Amino acid sequence: NAGVTQTPKFQVLKTGQSMTLQCAQDMNHEYMSWYRQDPGMGLRLIHYSVGAGITDQGEVPNGYNVSRSTTEDFPLRLLSAAPSQTSVYFCASSRPAGYSYEQYFGPGTRLTVT
Amino acid sequence: AQTVTQSQPEMSVQEAETVTLSCTYDTSESDYYLFWYKQPPSRQMILVIRQEAYKQQNATENRFSVNFQKAAKSFSLKISDSQLGDAAMYFCASKGYGGSQGNLIFGKGTKLSVKP
Repeated sequence: NAGVTQTPKFQVLKTGQSMTLQCAQDMNHEYMSWYRQDPGMGLRLIHYSVGAGITDQGEVPNGYNVSRSTTEDFPLRLLSAAPSQTSVYFCASSRPAGYSYEQYFGPGTRLTVT
Repeated sequence: AQTVTQSQPEMSVQEAETVTLSCTYDTSESDYYLFWYKQPPSRQMILVIRQEAYKQQNATENRFSVNFQKAAKSFSLKISDSQLGDAAMYFCASKGYGGSQGNLIFGKGTKLSVKP
């Protein structure tokens, strides 16, 4: 049982490049989400999904795209990287939304955009 | 909309002593949940303790306990017998019930240092 896995762990992009951050979970969780963590800002929600085929925007969705074709995977796409997207990105999963179940977090991806 | 405020950017405690981290929140939800997460230098987010708002009894997990004051919308974390391994960022978070309210709303964090 690997829990929530994220790849890559580190990435450097040039402004304008695109890339996909991968996230997978093997706990059969319906609920998955992406957060970004900036210094002094805590974690902020980018996008989330309550099940395969269903996604919605969070607090800071601009510049990011998501899809959820399977229960296990929830990739985050940066369409055209900007320096403001330099951050640490966390993927999380939990049992269905609306319950008190904790969110399990992946190890994070540190992204630098130059 | 839910908000979470941690007013202490940094705290320090002597090893074996007790420290309390503060958190206040605001929500219009009648049913919600509160969490404390620990983030050590490894970056991994680790759940420390959870509190269900409908339960009046304060949650405890070994050396960690909370003081939940629902009317005051306060949710502080007490760490007893502090250990060097407790040094980390601590985030308070709230979570509503259902749909977008099921997401975690985080405070900005408190950096805890433990002195030997």
